[in-house]
Parts: sequence; C-alpha cells; structure tokens
Amino acid sequence: DAKTTQPNSMESNEEEPVHLPCNHSTISGTDYIHWYRQLPSQGPEYVIHGLTSNVNNRMASLAIAEDRKSSTLILHRATLRDAAVYYCILRDESGTASKLTFGTGTRLQVTL
Amino acid sequence: EAGVTQSPTHLIKTRGQQVTLRCSPISGHTSVYWYQQALGLGLQFLLWYDEGEERNRGNFPPRFSGRQFPNYSSELNVNALELEDSALYLCASSPPGLYNSPLHFGNGTRLTVT
Repeated sequence: DAKTTQPNSMESNEEEPVHLPCNHSTISGTDYIHWYRQLPSQGPEYVIHGLTSNVNNRMASLAIAEDRKSSTLILHRATLRDAAVYYCILRDESGTASKLTFGTGTRLQVTL
Repeated sequence: EAGVTQSPTHLIKTRGQQVTLRCSPISGHTSVYWYQQALGLGLQFLLWYDEGEERNRGNFPPRFSGRQFPNYSSELNVNALELEDSALYLCASSPPGLYNSPLHFGNGTRLTVT
C-alpha cells in the first residue's frame, strides 16, 4: 500500500522560505498528492494537491518530482502563523483505507 | 459557506459507557470521514460514509460504529469505552463523486475517558 514518509520536525526563521519534503516511493499512477496542515487545537486544513505538474495557490506551492516518488511543499515566506504540523498523504479514486490514514507529519517551528 | 461542524466540542465519559459524536458536513458534500487522533499521534482513519453507505473502515474494533443520515450528517458511536479511547475525534467531508478531492475537517470532539 502506498504511504508517505516525512521528517518529524523542521525549523525555519520568519520571512524565509521553507521546503517540506515528502517521500512516496510506492505511489501509483492514479494517486493524487495532498498536503494538509494542523494548527494547535484545530482540525487539519487543506493546503494544496497535485497529480504530476507543479501547483501554486495562495497558501503554498507544490513541487512534484518527475518520477513522482517525492514532493516538496514550499512556503515562500514563513510566518509565525505557519507553525503547524504538515501532513502529506496520497488519495485516489478507490478510497482505500490505507490511503485515508495520515502519518505523524512534520512539525514546523517558525522563529523570529 | 459554513464549514464542517461537530458536537459536542468536549466530552468526559467513564470507562464502560457509550458515547455518540455528531458531524454536519459542508452543504453539498455527501462523503463523511471519521478520524481518531490520540495525543501526540497522527490521524487514524476510522470510517468513511458516502450517500448513506459505509464505504470503508479502518483497523478499529466493532465497538466503533456509525451511520450517515439522509441529510448526509453523521454519527460516530463508541460502545464500552476504554481509557485508550481518549482522543480528538475529527470529522471531514468531501464533495460527491470525487474520491480524490480535498477533505474539509471540523475542529473535532475532545473525548476524555476516565
């Protein structure tokens, strides 16, 4: 079953770019790569998703490797409000249970 | 547009009791997902309902059950509560027909079992 691997934690200074990596070496052709983040005492919030091409939205950018076995969430200028746990998951049309479980994600700390 | 709403926000129960948690999805969303997040852990998938049917289930015992109503709201029931059931229970919804679409989460119900 496809699953993702992320570093447990990362640190960044405010106003600097942050690159959050995710490995998904067993990704299948129909899997979409999704990113969510969870702020303290809140439910997870959708950030961005993509299939093959890089994606940009108002929150972040998603860079997907050419072989799709890894991806990187890019926060262009980190702020204190971006301190959260970031989750990378794979979703597909089948909705299999293994692809609906989030891992422990990457805890991002942002300092002044 | 109102987001996913869950009730109650906090709950304290005694071991052996039963509990019912409620979730109202975003208007127009037909899929509802339930997750358990124990302290310091990731989100474990519990149940997925779509159009009133249970579509998938995570690796949880049968005392975790639920249902989805015709208006697409959902309940999660947990019988014979155990101490390790203490967790944040999150509900998410997504639009119909697109099983790879983003999930929209509520802020959860914090269940404490004593």
